[in-house]
Amino acid sequence: AQSVAQPEDQVNVAEGNPLTVKCTYSVSGNPYLFWYVQYPNRGLQFLLKYITGDNLVKGSYGFEAEFNKSQTSFHLKKPSALVSDSALYFCAVRPRGDYKLSFGAGTTVTVRA
Amino acid sequence: NAGVTQTPKFQVLKTGQSMTLQCAQDMNHEYMSWYRQDPGMGLRLIHYSVGAGITDQGEVPNGYNVSRSTTEDFPLRLLSAAPSQTSVYFCASSRTGENTGELFFGEGSRLTVL
Repeated sequence: AQSVAQPEDQVNVAEGNPLTVKCTYSVSGNPYLFWYVQYPNRGLQFLLKYITGDNLVKGSYGFEAEFNKSQTSFHLKKPSALVSDSALYFCAVRPRGDYKLSFGAGTTVTVRA
Repeated sequence: NAGVTQTPKFQVLKTGQSMTLQCAQDMNHEYMSWYRQDPGMGLRLIHYSVGAGITDQGEVPNGYNVSRSTTEDFPLRLLSAAPSQTSVYFCASSRTGENTGELFFGEGSRLTVL
């Protein structure tokens, strides 16, 4: 069975500071990994994905994520956070050969001006 | 370019009533799914489908039925609503095949069961 853990319920940073949202996963084989963002009262929007290849993945809105196979982690990062980055962020994993996407519980990011 | 469309956006039911949440996508995606979102629990998969005529259960299927008669539509049925089904429901779709998989989500349907 696959599972995703987001160890922090909330992350608070000042605008202009680096932002990191942590994610670890448990799944057999080499998974597909995703990050999604949800703004208030909206559906989820795709940010980025890791399929294969380079461990550093670049996505939308200046976000990137680093895949670390030995630590089974896929942390989301942004070098300089904006107030508009305040939202709920979800990490998700899908095993290869399967279509079911499993989500973490989510991390609320608050960026203060 | 509508993407994934869910209706209704809001619904209040009494315990025991039935209803159907509608989901339609115009991207010719083979894969469609329903999730429920509850505070602190992320999104949990209810049912999914990899094509017309094919459906399967996800993580929390009890109390819900689905069907997939066309590629475009994937309705979710609650036959006898219970307060535990109070939640926000999201429909999502994607292409199938390797190197794909990012889901496109609808705006959500907020259901309250009294």
